[in-house]
Amino acid sequence: AQSVTQLGSHVSVSEGALVLLRCNYSSSVPPYLFWYVQYPNQGLQLLLKYTSAATLVKGINGFEAEFKKSETSFHLTKPSAHMSDAAEYFCAVSASVGDEKLTFGTGTRLTIIP
Amino acid sequence: EPEVTQTPSHQVTQMGQEVILRCVPISNHLYFYWYRQILGQKVEFLVSFYNNEISEKSEIFDDQFSVERPDGSNFTLKIRSTKLEDSAMYFCASIAASDTQYFGPGTRLTVL
Repeated sequence: AQSVTQLGSHVSVSEGALVLLRCNYSSSVPPYLFWYVQYPNQGLQLLLKYTSAATLVKGINGFEAEFKKSETSFHLTKPSAHMSDAAEYFCAVSASVGDEKLTFGTGTRLTIIP
Repeated sequence: EPEVTQTPSHQVTQMGQEVILRCVPISNHLYFYWYRQILGQKVEFLVSFYNNEISEKSEIFDDQFSVERPDGSNFTLKIRSTKLEDSAMYFCASIAASDTQYFGPGTRLTVL
């Protein structure tokens, strides 16, 4: 079985500051890991995914995440926060990148301080 | 860019009533899913559907729920007799083989 834990239900950063959203996973098989973003009143949009290729994954909107097996982590970062980054971010895990269900974390609400 | 669509965007119903939530997946996708998100909680898997049958379902997906692909384009979730605790955002997702799940914008279901 797979699960993810997101530390921090709310994170606030100043505009231009580093964004770091934490995700730790638990999986009995090599995991596939995802970050999704949800803007207010919208659906879930894929930011990036790890599928056992490069451990540093680059996504859309300047976000990236690093898979660290030794730490069972897949933290999401962005060097410089923008006001438009304010949203809810979900880490998710599946046993494959194909037809497997996604198991989501509880989400982190990111607030950007002007 | 192709997208998953869902209707209605908001559904209000009385407890005990039946509701049908509709989704139009991306046209060449093969696998279909329903997830739900109770307000303030995480997104939870309900059911996956492939080749016109359920491939996996969660413990949430009890006998009150059913899914159907009545034609070549729609994918529906029916709740037979709604309860207050069914109030949530329901997301449809679809995927081509070995690809990423694409989510629709969701239907907010409010049970009164």
